[in-house]
Amino acid sequence: DTGVSQNPRHKITKRGQNVTFRCDPISEHNRLYWYRQTLGQGPEFLTYFQNEAQLEKSRLLSDRFSAERPKGSFSTLEIQRTEQGDSAMYLCASSFEVNTEAFFGQGTRLTVV
Amino acid sequence: GENVEQHPSTLSVQEGDSAVIKCTYSDSASNYFPWYKQELGKGPQLIIDIRSNVGEKKDQRIAVTLNKTAKHFSLHITETQPEDSAVYFCASGTYKYIFGTGTRLKVLA
Repeated sequence: DTGVSQNPRHKITKRGQNVTFRCDPISEHNRLYWYRQTLGQGPEFLTYFQNEAQLEKSRLLSDRFSAERPKGSFSTLEIQRTEQGDSAMYLCASSFEVNTEAFFGQGTRLTVV
Repeated sequence: GENVEQHPSTLSVQEGDSAVIKCTYSDSASNYFPWYKQELGKGPQLIIDIRSNVGEKKDQRIAVTLNKTAKHFSLHITETQPEDSAVYFCASGTYKYIFGTGTRLKVLA
């Protein structure tokens, strides 16, 4: 296992289009997190999963955002009707259990034009 | 709401000197405090962490201290090297991690 994998690494889309990102966590990790990071800021929590259950969603996650982790393995984050303000780096992380090291992927950089 | 403040936002030190970054958290239930290093175009990478039942932890040139009463924790890097130049983030959490705004560290050769 080579760590947390995110695809694609970069995505450029037109405003109003839908986009979907994928995250493959470290295989034995039960917890999976999505964060968003804008330039010069720290990662902002979006949502997290314990196995396939989505346990918390941030208020930052509008109804245009949806995340799934159907079999408790990989996860997808979909943004519908993208807006320019959605442009950011979307980071995925996974950990074995609570309060243990969270390993981050390289992120997906989204640019909405 | 939960909040983590981090200072300074930028820090320049001469190679070989020490660097200190400080964070303050608001959620008294937080019991896990990781520090991450992020290089340009990459995801954050954990460099050291501390749990609330420990006051200090050291790993070679890196150390972290925690004062739960004051809700403060700090990162100390000694004998800095040019490859230490990066953005450093503190975080605190229980079941999720809230990040600080980052410190851009420049080590001048």
